[in-house]
Amino acid sequence: AQSVTQLGSHVSVSEGALVLLRCNYSSSVPPYLFWYVQYPNQGLQLLLKYTSAATLVKGINGFEAEFKKSETSFHLTKPSAHMSDAAEYFCAGGEYYGGSQGNLIFGKGTKLSVKP
Amino acid sequence: DAGVIQSPRHEVTEMGQEVTLRCKPISGHDYLFWYRQTMMRGLELLIYFNNNVPIDDSGMPEDRFSAKMPNASFSTLKIQPSEPRDSAVYFCASSRTGSNQPQHFGDGTRLSIL
Repeated sequence: AQSVTQLGSHVSVSEGALVLLRCNYSSSVPPYLFWYVQYPNQGLQLLLKYTSAATLVKGINGFEAEFKKSETSFHLTKPSAHMSDAAEYFCAGGEYYGGSQGNLIFGKGTKLSVKP
Repeated sequence: DAGVIQSPRHEVTEMGQEVTLRCKPISGHDYLFWYRQTMMRGLELLIYFNNNVPIDDSGMPEDRFSAKMPNASFSTLKIQPSEPRDSAVYFCASSRTGSNQPQHFGDGTRLSIL
């Protein structure tokens, strides 16, 4: 992806509520896309990745994301938030050229807070 | 499998001192990335290597920063001389070649320059 935009630097939800974290990309070629999660004092961990095989991608910890080409979006959702989901989430994308992977473009991140 | 290993986890040093951060990528990965993360600027790519060769160092802030990858299993990021504004968390990540290959991150080095 030539650019990745995450809408909302902070999102707050109640425990048990739907989590929706937004990511839009711009790309002139089919992109590959990822969601990462970062817990305090840790590195980024892969949540899920988009492959062209399926537009709905399931990841770890009950998260999933849907690739919508018409909307250039790759939003992350979870039906029911848990306190342990509080973390920062990053969307990232790149473009596939001839089998080699270069750099990934990261969004600025969205901090998710979960209220009891 | 062992993940990306960074050392040290924490470094506190005085302004003007040389700082060396170390990274061991995952075996078999041929891409290596160095990032810096701060509250103000977020996650920034500093430099990345492919097969030990630097591909893009346009993110390196200034000549005080240098990075090397002498072999496939080791990389260093050096700051000389260090300044307080270099205080940040520095991450190393590695990946395989190929589409849909994610980057795997280390736990980072938290650097404080006094």
